[in-house]
Amino acid sequence: ETGVTQSPTHLIKTRGQQVTLRCSSQSGHNTVSWYQQALGQGPQFIFQYYREEENGRGNFPPRFSGLQFPNYSSELNVNALELDDSALYLCASSSSQGSTYGYTFGSGTRLTVV
Amino acid sequence: AQSVTQLDSQVPVFEEAPVELRCNYSSSVSVYLFWYVQYPNQGLQLLLKYLSGSTLVKGINGFEAEFNKSQTSFHLRKPSVHISDTAEYFCAVSDTPYDMRFGAGTRLTVKP
Repeated sequence: ETGVTQSPTHLIKTRGQQVTLRCSSQSGHNTVSWYQQALGQGPQFIFQYYREEENGRGNFPPRFSGLQFPNYSSELNVNALELDDSALYLCASSSSQGSTYGYTFGSGTRLTVV
Repeated sequence: AQSVTQLDSQVPVFEEAPVELRCNYSSSVSVYLFWYVQYPNQGLQLLLKYLSGSTLVKGINGFEAEFNKSQTSFHLRKPSVHISDTAEYFCAVSDTPYDMRFGAGTRLTVKP
């Protein structure tokens, strides 16, 4: 079975720009969650998508938005980038509506905002 | 609201020695508990999870953890570590279907 794949692996953007990060969920998984991991910290929950709808959201501003497609792949969009948005963005998929059985994580996209 | 505290930011240990990584959680309801490992430049890999039942949970790579409800702890243990166990370890708690909260991580360094 294929795992979770994220693209791109690295990205450099300028403050104020917009960015789109992509995630392909593991085969058979219908739920995708996004996390932000700042350097030296644990992952912080951004939001989760289940069957193409937002299923829950953490403490992130509206300029963080997402989509889930019929094939369960997902995008994370960040508008008006700020320097503090520099982080590793992790996508995780699961086979149920939630985290009960544990997530399968991708390797992440390293975003640097300059 | 649920939260996780990992009591040690760094744990150095010699190869073949035992190790314990400590995790305390707070939640007002029943929780699910997890340990994940992160190797450099990689995502997180699930080591083990507690959903219900036996309080001693066995995971991959020889790791185990014990759920202690009275002390709200979920400490991770391994009787004999290897150099390859050097990594960042994260404890996580979930009491809702969608929100998993992670601790700040413990850096385990295994020395020869």
